[in-house]
Formats: sequence, structure tokens, C-alpha cells
Amino acid sequence: KNQVEQSPQSLIILEGKNCTLQCNYTVSPFSNLRWYKQDTGRGPVSLTIMTFSENTKSNGRYTATLDADTKQSSLHITASQLSDSASYICVVSGGITSGTYKYIFGTGTRLKVLA
Amino acid sequence: EAGVAQSPRYKIIEKRQSVAFWCNPISGHATLYWYQQILGQGPKLLIQFQNNGVVDDSQLPKDRFSAERLKGVDSTLKIQPAKLEDSAVYLCASSSRGLAGGGLGEQYFGPGTRLTVT
Repeated sequence: KNQVEQSPQSLIILEGKNCTLQCNYTVSPFSNLRWYKQDTGRGPVSLTIMTFSENTKSNGRYTATLDADTKQSSLHITASQLSDSASYICVVSGGITSGTYKYIFGTGTRLKVLA
Repeated sequence: EAGVAQSPRYKIIEKRQSVAFWCNPISGHATLYWYQQILGQGPKLLIQFQNNGVVDDSQLPKDRFSAERLKGVDSTLKIQPAKLEDSAVYLCASSSRGLAGGGLGEQYFGPGTRLTVT
């Protein structure tokens, strides 16, 4: 079954600290993996996208890694800011059904950054 | 460029009533998606349009949900009759490329419509 699991479910850190969010997937075939940031009351916004051949992608203070062999990805946030408080969703594209790729969403990690 | 527009932003209805949501995608985007996001969960795809044709509606509860995308531009999602478990945020997204290309097309999401069914 094609699934995307994220951990932890929620996380509280102090401003300025680093943190790492995890994403494990069992999607086959695999096309690409995205990390989204979803602020409260808003739609998700893409942070990074990685294909099978990429193992690191950065976007400012956000760095995503991908290990296609172990089917794991992580999102590292450096020097966290209050504005990083949001849900972070891992989305894998793959799992062809009827000739169409699917977007398979994780349940997200809810991050709260405290001053 | 203007983003994905959705309306209304909030809606409160009683169970068994009907409700409709509207979405206007980014201009030129051929692919449009409707998602249901229950509190604390990731979005679940309800239906995907490519222009005005349905590509995937396998998770759409067709006994009560319907969607259309006339003229391949804006779209409406309707629930009739609503149930308590339909309380969720309904997200619309669009992309210039669909999933046929391996899902590399960037999805742009609207702000969502928060539905509360009492």
C-alpha cells in the first residue's frame, strides 16, 4: 500500500534552535518528493522538490534530504524563527494507478517555535 | 501572477443541507485539484481535472459530492446533503502540468474553504 508517514506528529522548539522532521514512504514507483509548509488557515506552499537522483535540496534555512534506497526523507530547519511555526507536509508523487501518478500526502508535522 | 482563488472562506451549515464551493485556478493552468483536509490530517484528493475532463475521482463520495469544471477554467464542488463528517477544509490547487509527466508540475494551493457542519 502506498503510504507516507511523518514524525514527529508535533514539535516545540525555542527560537534560534535547529530541528529535523522525518518522512518515510512506501510508494512505488517513485517519481519525486516534496516538502510543503502550511501556515494556519492557508493552503500548503512548496518548499522543495526532489527527484530520484537528488539527495539534497536547500531553500534558504530549509534543507531537505532524500535517501531513495531506504525511502526516507528529512527536512532540516536551521536557526528557527517564529514564522516557521506551521505544519510541514511530505508529499510523494508516484504509485501509478490506471496510468496516472498520484500525489500521496503525509499527515504532517506541526511545528511550534517559541520565543 | 494571481494565485488560486477560493470562496467562500468559511461556511457553517446544518447537516442535510447543501453547500457549494468555488475555485478559480491560476490563469493557464490546465490541471485543477480538489482536496479535503480534516483537522490534523494531510489533504486527501477528491477529484482531479485536466482541462474540463475528470482524470481521477476515485476518492470522491459520489453519492453526495459532485464537481464540475465547465469551460476548463473555474470549478465548483458541491455537497448534497452534508454530513457531520464533512466538516473539513476544502482546498483547491492548480498546476500547469498534470501527473502524466511524473508529477513534476508544481501545485499551487488556494487558501481553502473551512466547512463546519452542525
